[in-house]
Amino acid sequence: DGGITQSPKYLFRKEGQNVTLSCEQNLNHDAMYWYRQDPGQGLRLIYYSQIVNDFQKGDIAEGYSVSREKKESFPLTVTSAQKNPTAFYLCASSLRTGGSTGELFFGEGSRLTVL
Amino acid sequence: GQQVMQIPQYQHVQEGEDFTTYCNSSTTLSNIQWYKQRPGGHPVFLIQLVKSGEVKKQKRLTFQFGEAKKNSSLHITATQTTDVGTYFCAGQGSTDSWGKLQFGAGTQVVVTP
Repeated sequence: DGGITQSPKYLFRKEGQNVTLSCEQNLNHDAMYWYRQDPGQGLRLIYYSQIVNDFQKGDIAEGYSVSREKKESFPLTVTSAQKNPTAFYLCASSLRTGGSTGELFFGEGSRLTVL
Repeated sequence: GQQVMQIPQYQHVQEGEDFTTYCNSSTTLSNIQWYKQRPGGHPVFLIQLVKSGEVKKQKRLTFQFGEAKKNSSLHITATQTTDVGTYFCAGQGSTDSWGKLQFGAGTQVVVTP
C-alpha cells in the first residue's frame, strides 16, 4: 500500500538532546512537508521541500533542521535550540499541480515529549 | 502576513442537526482546502476549492468558497456520530506561495446521540 510512514510514533527525550524523526513515502511525490500541531491550534509549517536536495523554511523553522537526500525520505531533527519541542509532528507529501500545493497526504504523526 | 481564522473553535451538535463552520482569511486566497482529523488521528483531505463562488458537495457535506476568495464554509446536514473530529481549513495565498498553506485553528465537533 502506498503511503507515508513516520517513526517513532512516541518519543521521549531529555532537555538538551537532539532527536530525529523519520518520514518515508512511497507515493512518488516530489513535495514533502513537516508540520507541528499543538493542542487547540492548527498546523504550523516547519519546513518543506519541492525536490531532492532542496528545502525551504516554513513559519517556525527555528530550532529544527531537515535534509532531503532521497525523494522518498525527509527526516526532521529537533535540536536542543528548540525552546518548546513537546508537540505532535506531522509529515506530509503532495503532488504539485501547477501553482496549487495540491492535496496533502499525512503520516500518522510522531508525538514528542521532552522531560 | 496571511492569517486564517476559523470559527467556531468548538461545536457541540445533537445527532441529526445541521451545523456550519467558517473560515476567514486576511488576504485573498488562490485556493482553499478542507481537512478532517479524527480524535487521535491525522488530518485527511476532504476537498479543494479554487474558483470564486464555488460550491461543492460530498454527500451531507457542502463546501463553499466566497466570491472574494477570502472566506469559505463547510456545512454538514443531519450530523452523524461519524462526523466527530476536528475540521481544518487551509488556505494558499498567491500561486507564488506554493507549499505554504496557512491552516486555521480548526473546529472541534462533538456529536451527542
